[in-house]
Amino acid sequence: QSVLTQPPSASGTPGQRVTISCSGSSSNIGSNPVNWYQQLPGTAPKLLIYSNNQRPSGVPDRFSGSKSGTSASLAISGLQSEDEADYYCAAWHDRLNGWVFGGGTKLTVL
Amino acid sequence: EVQLVESGGGLVQPGRSLRLSCVASGFTFDDYAMYWVRQAPGKGLEWVSGISWNSGNIGYADSVKGRFTISRDNAKNSLYLQMNSLRAEDTALYYCAKDIRSSSSKHGFFDSWGQGTLVTVSS
Repeated sequence: QSVLTQPPSASGTPGQRVTISCSGSSSNIGSNPVNWYQQLPGTAPKLLIYSNNQRPSGVPDRFSGSKSGTSASLAISGLQSEDEADYYCAAWHDRLNGWVFGGGTKLTVL
Repeated sequence: EVQLVESGGGLVQPGRSLRLSCVASGFTFDDYAMYWVRQAPGKGLEWVSGISWNSGNIGYADSVKGRFTISRDNAKNSLYLQMNSLRAEDTALYYCAKDIRSSSSKHGFFDSWGQGTLVTVSS
């Protein structure tokens, strides 16, 4: 059971906009920034969004992040087949004094 | 280009020990905190342990506390994870990851990852 809660799956057709939610508590998301990681099939995770809504160099602006209270969201617009991957949210947990992840959301492009 | 290369995984019996290594290149290793993150087969990511640039700040997940020890050798650009009293539930792909900061903090994040080394605990 992961500390952060994500839907196990999401789907969309090419060109659509999809969102993935991540729910936590006041000890993690509620008081700390959220980061998102993308894991393409058979590869290592890659940083996608940091500090709630910042994109590292090289990440398309189709990807965006937001946070409100104890929840965060990742939005992908103009969905493409290469976006098919697992997506994980993560945040620092104050009480545990360590990083916690969501259980991951498998995105399928129909 | 940042490179993180893990090694040391393998098949080990329950209760035995294993030491993982991660060799870093392409950046000033002793400027950054480093981590181990694992992924059990078909499962999600789990933070295992982290260490600050000078080894002065170390943390562990509750699931490995007292059994695993993280360390680093800045002269060798290397990160280690000593895993003792291994259990079946420790079976996972273990990733080495780099922070953008020198110590763990809520403002950090994992900006580079290795390809992982597989640890299988089974009799």
